[in-house]
Amino acid sequence: QSVLTQPPSVSGTPGQRVSISCSGSASSFGSSVVYWYQQVPGTAPKLLTEGNGQRSSGVPDRFSGSKSGTSASLAISGLRSDDEGDYYCAAWDDRLNIYVFGTGTKVTVL
Amino acid sequence: EVQLMESGGGLVQPGGSLRLSCSLSGFMFRNYAMSWVRQAPGKGLEWISAISATGEDTYYAASVRGRFTISRDNSRNMVYLQMNNLRVEDTALYYCPKDTSGYLRPNSFEIWGQGTMVTVSS
Repeated sequence: QSVLTQPPSVSGTPGQRVSISCSGSASSFGSSVVYWYQQVPGTAPKLLTEGNGQRSSGVPDRFSGSKSGTSASLAISGLRSDDEGDYYCAAWDDRLNIYVFGTGTKVTVL
Repeated sequence: EVQLMESGGGLVQPGGSLRLSCSLSGFMFRNYAMSWVRQAPGKGLEWISAISATGEDTYYAASVRGRFTISRDNSRNMVYLQMNNLRVEDTALYYCPKDTSGYLRPNSFEIWGQGTMVTVSS
């Protein structure tokens, strides 16, 4: 079983910086690029970051992705109410030849 | 402008079959791998299958391998998902998002449609 583990929830107040972690096994994801998606309730997912943390077109620079070894993170700075939603990391598992989404993190703006 | 539309969902009994279709336009379809991703009600995203740009290579999640078959028609800009021996746990909204740059296999999914709902129930 291939798993990318994320914390179930993260919360913060408006303007605050929050971070979401994503971790997987070295054998499956050690050399993989990690992507991040945002899903606002009731809508389709939206790609936030592409390879090497590069933001997708139109995504504000408040969102930044990074990866070190088998762990990745997405930071959201200047938290806003419309950032509320579910966030997923994802990567290609080189060992199993499958694409894997993380377990998902619900972001709440207090 | 890239456009995509999933279709073919519906209500089916356990053990039944459905064929999903995805129509795409506005880009060089034959140059991109394509995937199907699903989301069960109230649950997270689950990638289930992908096909390379030429159609020569296919990939499946363990949960659907042996029951689902992905295919594509590059002359018609279409992707298909044949789903056999459906189970209650296959109930989900099914998406076929456009890949950013994958050719042999998926990279990331930059454009998503509204999806098509599949309900497996007796």
